[in-house]
Amino acid sequence: AQKVTQAQTEISVVEKEDVTLDCVYETRDTTYYLFWYKQPPSGELVFLIRRNSFDEQNEISGRYSWNFQKSTSSFNFTITASQVVDSAVYFCALSEAGSNDYKLSFGAGTTVTVRA
Amino acid sequence: GAVVSQHPSRVICKSGTSVKIECRSLDFQATTMFWYRQFPKQSLMLMATSNEGSKATYEQGVEKDKFLINHASLTLSTLTVTSAHPEDSSFYICSARDFGVGAVAKNIQYFGAGTRLSVL
Repeated sequence: AQKVTQAQTEISVVEKEDVTLDCVYETRDTTYYLFWYKQPPSGELVFLIRRNSFDEQNEISGRYSWNFQKSTSSFNFTITASQVVDSAVYFCALSEAGSNDYKLSFGAGTTVTVRA
Repeated sequence: GAVVSQHPSRVICKSGTSVKIECRSLDFQATTMFWYRQFPKQSLMLMATSNEGSKATYEQGVEKDKFLINHASLTLSTLTVTSAHPEDSSFYICSARDFGVGAVAKNIQYFGAGTRLSVL
């Protein structure tokens, strides 16, 4: 079963628009970690944020913000005032304490295209 | 964030040759490293988990004799694609897990830049 679902395959916006990426996860563990990574065209995965299951505080970092809601098993990511440099594939991932070595389960990714 | 170096970034080789890819954690010690494969427009597929000083654990369907993994030190893991064939052409990415120290587990995987392997 898919542990992480990113329902949006592609999102296209015009610069300065806000864009929200959805992520829904599934786990039976009480201790787990959620991540967002960015993969620009160059290919490298860039770590953006980690959240553990006991910390439901939302977080803001510059133009990025994250909304973690355990009640709906969601960890959504919003880019405010998008820029062309935000164009990339964004992956949501889950790491469960019960898995060997805290392996990451990735969602399918959402491709964000920001047009000038 | 922590830095993971992966080399080479691109390899073009003839069918039947072996290719070695290196993954190094530059500013932290990584007892665990991971190797992934990514097909165009798809997500990352975990191939194997590499723990320092022990044998790698391969995911189901991954041939351990085809993809040899060595994790000889806390900062270096290597993936060797043996007798590569065109179907092995892909984007390979490594990651190193920074578990951190102290009571709060950091538990973040940092990724290398990837290696694009093309087998002719």
